[in-house]
Amino acid sequence: AQSVAQPEDQVNVAEGNPLTVKCTYSVSGNPYLFWYVQYPNRGLQFLLKYITGDNLVKGSYGFEAEFNKSQTSFHLKKPSALVSDSALYFCAVRDGGSYIPTFGRGTSLIVHP
Amino acid sequence: DARVTQTPRHKVTEMGQEVTMRCQPILGHNTVFWYRQTMMQGLELLAYFRNRAPLDDSGMPKDRFSAEMPDATLATLKIQPSEPRDSAVYFCASASGITNEKLFFGSGTQLSVL
Repeated sequence: AQSVAQPEDQVNVAEGNPLTVKCTYSVSGNPYLFWYVQYPNRGLQFLLKYITGDNLVKGSYGFEAEFNKSQTSFHLKKPSALVSDSALYFCAVRDGGSYIPTFGRGTSLIVHP
Repeated sequence: DARVTQTPRHKVTEMGQEVTMRCQPILGHNTVFWYRQTMMQGLELLAYFRNRAPLDDSGMPKDRFSAEMPDATLATLKIQPSEPRDSAVYFCASASGITNEKLFFGSGTQLSVL
């Protein structure tokens, strides 16, 4: 079985400050981890993925995510937030034996000017 | 830019009516997903196709929902009869290969059943 948890429904951050959106996962095998972003009235857009290799993964729009196997976490980060980063962020996971990702419930990121 | 196209974008219907949602995956993509998004449940997988064959539809209420891929350029999701609890945003996503490492989502169909 595979599952993912996003413990925060909403994250508020001031523009220019660093941001973190949290994600923890549970899989039976090796995890394949993903972050997607959803802007209002749009579909989800791929940001980044971790399959194997370096624990720090860089993605689109200056986002990065850190894989931590011992804590089963895959937190999304950005050094300096922009107002335009305000959106809904989804973490997703699948294990090596499944080709279907399971999505978290999403975290609303609000960046204040 | 290649994109997944979903129609209609919005649908308002009355309880008991049939609803058909359509999806055109990105050309060359052989995998299609249908997801439903609600505030209460988040994103739920309804169906998963690879090479037009349904591989997983365990998340779909079988008594009223059906999903098909008549050809490689069209996926359909039907609800008959529709109920108010079906009100949600329905997303189609496509991917290439078999590992589905990157899904491309359409803009969704917002369904309201009165």
